[in-house]
Amino acid sequence: QSALTQPASVSGSPGQSITISCTGTRSDVGSYNLVSWYQQHPGKAPKLMIYEVTKRPSGVSNRFSGSKSGITASLTISGLQAEDEADYYCCSYAGSGSSLVFGGGTKLTVL
Amino acid sequence: EVQLVESGGGLVQPGRSLRLSCAASGFRFDNYAIHWVRQVPGKGLEWVSGISWNSGVIGYADSVKGRFTISRDNAKNSLYLQMNSLRPEDTALYYCAKVSRAGEWYDFDYWGQGTLVTVSS
Repeated sequence: QSALTQPASVSGSPGQSITISCTGTRSDVGSYNLVSWYQQHPGKAPKLMIYEVTKRPSGVSNRFSGSKSGITASLTISGLQAEDEADYYCCSYAGSGSSLVFGGGTKLTVL
Repeated sequence: EVQLVESGGGLVQPGRSLRLSCAASGFRFDNYAIHWVRQVPGKGLEWVSGISWNSGVIGYADSVKGRFTISRDNAKNSLYLQMNSLRPEDTALYYCAKVSRAGEWYDFDYWGQGTLVTVSS
């Protein structure tokens, strides 16, 4: 159950697009289309942004999209807005013992 | 309105025990798996444990296996986490989180505000 690997930080200007990567192993990200992404603002609980790699919950902006290739999942945010500045975490089902594993988190700064 | 309210956190000495509770409302509790996720202040999220709607499936992170026990009481719309042999590295804000779809296990659409556990002598 090693944490998934995310970049510590990414940044972009308003209106631009950014992508956050989430690298796992063949035992988690590579084996299941069960990657989710969470947004967390300071002092707040996480918010589900993407589930099952590509699906958006009701109410989440279509500026947020997810994808996966091999052992790496990605979250893309297009048309960056100031309110997108937050920490983002990926999470994958890891199979063994019905376990889940989170990434270390990525701090997004909107310049 | 869906609500999850954690309680039971506090300051505890290493080696001692603590029991967390999560009171749920606003949804059909016995249809959903519920999990515990923790976060050291200023650090990342860590999945701790989960339990299916009928307690038939239970999972634990390796870091807590053998020390923590998750349980639920569907009649009381409540989730519990019994934490034994606590260590300083268990210090964190503990969230309970509801899965987004009945019968599923994998992603969380509602989270509580967390209860802080501090393990220190």
